[in-house]
Amino acid sequence: QSALTQPASVSGSPGQSITISCTGTSRDIGGYNYVSWYQQHPGKAPKLMIYEVSDRSSGVSNRFSGSKSGNTASLTISGLQAEDEADYYCTSYRSDSFVVFGGGTKLTVL
Amino acid sequence: QVQLQESGPGLVKPSETLSLTCTVSDGSINSDTSYWIWMRQPPGKGLECIGYIYYSGITNYHPSLKSRVTISLDTSKNQFSLSLSSVTAADTAVYYCGRMSLTYYIDVWGKGTTVTVSS
Repeated sequence: QSALTQPASVSGSPGQSITISCTGTSRDIGGYNYVSWYQQHPGKAPKLMIYEVSDRSSGVSNRFSGSKSGNTASLTISGLQAEDEADYYCTSYRSDSFVVFGGGTKLTVL
Repeated sequence: QVQLQESGPGLVKPSETLSLTCTVSDGSINSDTSYWIWMRQPPGKGLECIGYIYYSGITNYHPSLKSRVTISLDTSKNQFSLSLSSVTAADTAVYYCGRMSLTYYIDVWGKGTTVTVSS
């Protein structure tokens, strides 16, 4: 069982917007602005998309955005494209100096 | 641009020790602006942080793996290594090394290496 909770799957049609949630506790997401998001295509290494809650990594489309409220972080993808279909993972720093991951969310573009 | 490459045996017998190395190219491992991290992903499952090390040698390990894990640096070879003892089938996974910023995001990943635990 992962330390951070993500929905197992989300889906959307091309052009639509979707949001993936990542829920933790006050020991991790709620306590620090050290949330990051990664995109992983099948058979590939993950790729950094968002860091420090809402900063986009270099070269990442501005269709990707991140936010946080309380113990829950969110990744929003607007203007869905077929190439966005992938698994998405959140991570957060935790108060015991460890880094915890979410269980991952499979995004399907219909 | 820093690049990372994992290397090591793809098959390890149960109860033995898994040893992997991550070679850092186009950058120095002896940097005070990064951590060096090991992660894994069991087949069909999510990612898990195994642990990480700072250039000073300070380490932090997954609580449930702490008794079996050692991460170390070899600055002369610009490499860092993972050792996981007493492995079982549950340790079968793709293992990734990475560079982690001081604000805990992983901006550089290796391609990953598959390790299977089987007799």
